[in-house]
Amino acid sequence: AQTVTQSQPEMSVQEAETVTLSCTYDTSESDYYLFWYKQPPSRQMILVIRQEAYKQQNATENRFSVNFQKAAKSFSLKISDSQLGDAAMYFCAYRSNFGNEKLTFGTGTRLTIIP
Amino acid sequence: KAGVTQTPRYLIKTRGQQVTLSCSPISGHRSVSWYQQTPGQGLQFLFEYFSETQRNKGNFPGRFSGRQFSNSRSEMNVSTLELGDSALYLCASSLGWARPYGEQFFGPGTRLTVL
Repeated sequence: AQTVTQSQPEMSVQEAETVTLSCTYDTSESDYYLFWYKQPPSRQMILVIRQEAYKQQNATENRFSVNFQKAAKSFSLKISDSQLGDAAMYFCAYRSNFGNEKLTFGTGTRLTIIP
Repeated sequence: KAGVTQTPRYLIKTRGQQVTLSCSPISGHRSVSWYQQTPGQGLQFLFEYFSETQRNKGNFPGRFSGRQFSNSRSEMNVSTLELGDSALYLCASSLGWARPYGEQFFGPGTRLTVL
């Protein structure tokens, strides 16, 4: 079974600064996706960024980028130029590519933005 | 395009009762997944339905069941409610294909409180 670990329950960052959220995972599969989801206080879960395991290039979406280290099974999220709207719970998630949509989530990191 | 809708948004039940939650996916999406979110256990996968068939199931007791209709709308049912069933229940819809990857979109959730 796959597991996802987020070791930082809470993080805080000054507005306009950069913050990195950590995630490690365990799997015996070679073909999978990794995701970062954001859940603001309103509770609607939103996809931030995704990474396909067979792609070596790290994914980037505007101010959000990942550092994907497949051998180390590490998948961190970097948020640049942090904004007040980035305050939320961030969940790292794993999805196998073998026939279903099941997401395995980490326990989440609560990110606070300090004005 | 309308997003994923869940009804009701809030529900209060007493122990021993049963409850049915509904999820309407984004038009064209054939996969619906259900998750339970609690402070103690985090986000846990309940089950996934694709084209009216259960494609995957998490580790929940048989009191938790679901189904999907021909229009892709899905319901989940919890019988003989226990206090521990109090949670936010999220559903997510997607096209359902492994490749090309189709993003999963989450609904706002149903907050179930069991007294």
